Amino acid sequence: NAGVTQTPKFQVLKTGQSMTLQCAQDMNHNSMYWYRQDPGMGLRLIYYSASEGTTDKGEVPNGYNVSRLNKREFSLRLESAAPSQTSVYFCASSNPGEKLFFGSGTQLSVL
Amino acid sequence: KNQVEQSPQSLIILEGKNCTLQCNYTVSPFSNLRWYKQDTGRGPVSLTIMTFSENTKSNGRYTATLDADTKQSSLHITASQLSDSASYICVVSGRNTGTASKLTFGTGTRLQVTL
Repeated sequence: NAGVTQTPKFQVLKTGQSMTLQCAQDMNHNSMYWYRQDPGMGLRLIYYSASEGTTDKGEVPNGYNVSRLNKREFSLRLESAAPSQTSVYFCASSNPGEKLFFGSGTQLSVL
Repeated sequence: KNQVEQSPQSLIILEGKNCTLQCNYTVSPFSNLRWYKQDTGRGPVSLTIMTFSENTKSNGRYTATLDADTKQSSLHITASQLSDSASYICVVSGRNTGTASKLTFGTGTRLQVTL
């Protein structure tokens, strides 16, 4: 049982480049989330999808877009990467009221 | 502003010893409080979830307590093992919307267990 799978694990971008982080879960969860984790700060919610077909902004959505492709997959896109987006990104999934399951993270550096 | 504060920031203990991590929160209204363990280079893994009515919840050698009146929680680790070396994150849900979209994360306590 794979749980939550994120790709890639590491990525280096130049300022202005674009990329998409992929996330897939095999637990039949309704809700999926994208977080970023920065040193000295708690995880912050970028976007979430409460159910297939819906997406909503979280605490720090600027500079990001998301797509809930189907119930399993939720992607995060950086259209024009900035150094401030250097971070570790986590995808997570859950059913309502239940614990979150996290992926292993993507370490992104924007030069 | 909803906040979750954890102490200490870091802690070193000898293998076999017990330790207690603290979490204070100002999130309101309160729905539930969660503790997660995050190994280096990995995503957080859930240890416990406690609602308003629960004072204590255990998961093996991990025991979480909650005092909703004082808005404090603690995570007690018994007979620590080297594999307990990780960051422990306190997370508070501020509204029962059915999704995890209203979670406030603490910055974590970094625990190192040594021989």
